[in-house]
Amino acid sequence: KAGVTQTPRYLIKTRGQQVTLSCSPISGHRSVSWYQQTPGQGLQFLFEYFSETQRNKGNFPGRFSGRQFSNSRSEMNVSTLELGDSALYLCASSLGYRGTADTQYFGPGTRLTVL
Amino acid sequence: DQQVKQNSPSLSVQEGRISILNCDYTNSMFDYFLWYKKYPAEGPTFLISISSIKDKNEDGRFTVFLNKSAKHLSLHIVPSQPGDSAVYFCAAPTSQGGKLIFGQGTELSVKP
Repeated sequence: KAGVTQTPRYLIKTRGQQVTLSCSPISGHRSVSWYQQTPGQGLQFLFEYFSETQRNKGNFPGRFSGRQFSNSRSEMNVSTLELGDSALYLCASSLGYRGTADTQYFGPGTRLTVL
Repeated sequence: DQQVKQNSPSLSVQEGRISILNCDYTNSMFDYFLWYKKYPAEGPTFLISISSIKDKNEDGRFTVFLNKSAKHLSLHIVPSQPGDSAVYFCAAPTSQGGKLIFGQGTELSVKP
């Protein structure tokens, strides 16, 4: 079974631009979660989508948004990029059970650099 | 509010010996825990999990122990191999699912 894929793997943008990152979950997984990893803040939860609906949201500004399509693929968008948005963005997929015993599997990440 | 804590940023172990990575949590509502291994610039790889109804779960060289009364879990790697050198994160999902709370990570170095 193919794992979680993310595109692109690397991106360089300048301040003020916007960016869209893509994630394809493991086949059969209906939940996609997004995380940001930075050296100072570690791994921080951005949001989760399940059946095309945002089910959970982290503490990030409205410049960070996402969506999920009917095939469970997901995109996240960051508008008006700031230098502090430079990070590794990780996508994780899971079956999507409510409750907690649902293992998330991560993609390789997209390294975003904002200049 | 750091609900999942890994207080040791780094650990160095000799090849063939045991590696013990520790994790503490504060939220007594957590009932499922996961360990991930991560190389730089890659996504975390799932290693092993444990439900709160158990106190031990084993998978090959990896064993996770859970002490609910102490709100503490540990990952044991026996024997340690140089390829185990990576950053290890413990994580717990919130009751809503879909959101993992991660510890800060422990960088394990296994020396030949």
